[in-house]
Amino acid sequence: AQKVTQAQTEISVVEKEDVTLDCVYETRDTTYYLFWYKQPPSGELVFLIRRNSFDEQNEISGRYSWNFQKSTSSFNFTITASQVVDSAVYFCALIHTSGTYKYIFGTGTRLKVLA
Amino acid sequence: DSGVTQTPKHLITATGQRVTLRCSPRSGDLSVYWYQQSLDQGLQFLIQYYNGEERAKGNILERFSAQQFPDLHSELNLSSLELGDSALYFCASSDGPNYEQYFGPGTRLTVT
Repeated sequence: AQKVTQAQTEISVVEKEDVTLDCVYETRDTTYYLFWYKQPPSGELVFLIRRNSFDEQNEISGRYSWNFQKSTSSFNFTITASQVVDSAVYFCALIHTSGTYKYIFGTGTRLKVLA
Repeated sequence: DSGVTQTPKHLITATGQRVTLRCSPRSGDLSVYWYQQSLDQGLQFLIQYYNGEERAKGNILERFSAQQFPDLHSELNLSSLELGDSALYFCASSDGPNYEQYFGPGTRLTVT
């Protein structure tokens, strides 16, 4: 079965701290896609990153970085020097492509960055 | 602004009623997706259309149906509404089935 697990329900950090959001996925596909989305208090989900299963290169975008490790089926997201504006719910998602496509979201991690 | 529009923003209706939610995708996107977000169930994929055809189905109830029209806008029809259908319904669009999705602002449905 395909599954995305975000074990951290809620994390609170103080501004300028680094924080890592964990994502563990399950799939038997060899071809799949992983995503992170941010849902700020305004409610609209915002795309952050897409990774395909053949590209294990880590990525850095400003204060954001992502660590994709197929060996542990993890796709973790780190925010460096967190800011109050980073406060949001973050979702990890998987697209399973064998047979019928499935779009699977984790339950989300609520990040609170305190000033 | 993602470029995806959804109407209405809020909808309050009674049990047993039927409602229609509308979505216009980003310009050029052929794929449209519908999701339900409730407090206890998280974000659940309902259904996907690609250029007018149904392509993938998730946890969509038989009381719910959707379609995508030739101009690529989509509608989600919810009938025989129950209290448990109260949720935020998101529409998203993408360039293709493997690509990132751009989400609309959502329609908050309250069933009383």
